Amino acid sequence: DVKVTQSSRYLVKRTGEKVFLECVQDMDHENMFWYRQDPGLGLRLIYFSYDVKMKEKGDIPEGYSVSREKKERFSLILESASTNQTSMYLCASTPGGAYGNTIYFGEGSWLTVV
Amino acid sequence: KQEVTQIPAALSVPEGENLVLNCSFTDSAIYNLQWFRQDPGKGLTSLLLIQSSQREQTSGRLNASLDKSSGRSTLYIAASQPGDSATYLCAVRPYGGATNKLIFGTGTLLAVQP
Repeated sequence: DVKVTQSSRYLVKRTGEKVFLECVQDMDHENMFWYRQDPGLGLRLIYFSYDVKMKEKGDIPEGYSVSREKKERFSLILESASTNQTSMYLCASTPGGAYGNTIYFGEGSWLTVV
Repeated sequence: KQEVTQIPAALSVPEGENLVLNCSFTDSAIYNLQWFRQDPGKGLTSLLLIQSSQREQTSGRLNASLDKSSGRSTLYIAASQPGDSATYLCAVRPYGGATNKLIFGTGTLLAVQP
């Protein structure tokens, strides 16, 4: 069974804190993604990575950064958390190559910034 | 700019009924379209992936169709069950730009009443 694991399901952080969200996939996928999901806005892409140490900005990268030092791990970093970053964060992965591949999601990380 | 719309936002049906969920997109230049299911507080599970050259895909009681020229897709659920209650999202993978990027609709919340 394919698996995308987000290590933290629920986090509460204070404004200004540095926050790390970790994601690991066990499918040897080249592409990994971070989305946030908000009511009425749907899923919006923050960053994605198509290879180790490679990253591309998505639609809403401001206030976030990412790290991909190993193929299986993709981390989302909030350098200085703000209340408007309270959201559900979803990690996903797909194989490389053709554009017709199914995308696999993790269970999500609920972040509350107070 | 590609936009994906799902109407209605919410739907309630009695158990056993056949139902159709709708997804429309503004730009027909897509590689594929996917339908997902999301249970409350969880990640997304891929249900069906339709390539741009295909007209439909089937899996069990689910059938998804794609009409690129009109910018529409439907997800047909036969003989609905309470366990089908969830949010259903569609997403397109557009040509051009960051080709790994999916554009999501905001979903239809389905409730199947026993």
